[in-house]
Amino acid sequence: AQTVTQSQPEMSVQEAETVTLSCTYDTSESDYYLFWYKQPPSRQMILVIRQEAYKQQNATENRFSVNFQKAAKSFSLKISDSQLGDAAMYFCAYRSAGGSNYKLTFGKGTLLTVNP
Amino acid sequence: NAGVTQTPKFRVLKTGQSMTLLCAQDMNHEYMYWYRQDPGMGLRLIHYSVGEGTTAKGEVPDGYNVSRLKKQNFLLGLESAAPSQTSVYFCASTDPGQGYEQYFGPGTRLTVT
Repeated sequence: AQTVTQSQPEMSVQEAETVTLSCTYDTSESDYYLFWYKQPPSRQMILVIRQEAYKQQNATENRFSVNFQKAAKSFSLKISDSQLGDAAMYFCAYRSAGGSNYKLTFGKGTLLTVNP
Repeated sequence: NAGVTQTPKFRVLKTGQSMTLLCAQDMNHEYMYWYRQDPGMGLRLIHYSVGEGTTAKGEVPDGYNVSRLKKQNFLLGLESAAPSQTSVYFCASTDPGQGYEQYFGPGTRLTVT
């Protein structure tokens, strides 16, 4: 079974600065998808960014980018120019590309605080 | 287009009581999921369904039952609630034709006393 590990329970960053959230995963599969979800205090789960394992290029969405290291099984999220609205719980998630159920396996989350 | 909705948003139960959580989606998605979120544990999959009339166990299925009688609805039942089932419950849906994203409902906070 796949596992996802987020080793930083909490992180903090100053507004306008850059922060990197870490995620590692364990899998024997070669094809899969990785996701970062954001959960603000409203509790709504919001997809931030996704990465297909077969793509070498790191995904980018505006101020959010990932550093995907397939051999190291590492998938970190970089938030540039941090804003107060980025304060949230962030979850890393894994999904197999094979199979027929599209299940997600989540890490335990990293709580990000943004200081003004 | 409401997306994924969950009923109720909050509920308090006494130990031993039963209840059903309703998840509804209006995106015509085939796949639906129930997760629970506990502090420090992330989201864990309880049960899921890959189509109307089908259900399967996830990572933490004990104490829960589910039904998918209609494609747009996925019900999660607790027959005899226990304090260990105090949690926030999320429903999600997706479809192979929609790409990769799971769409989540707003969550239900359940407290069992």
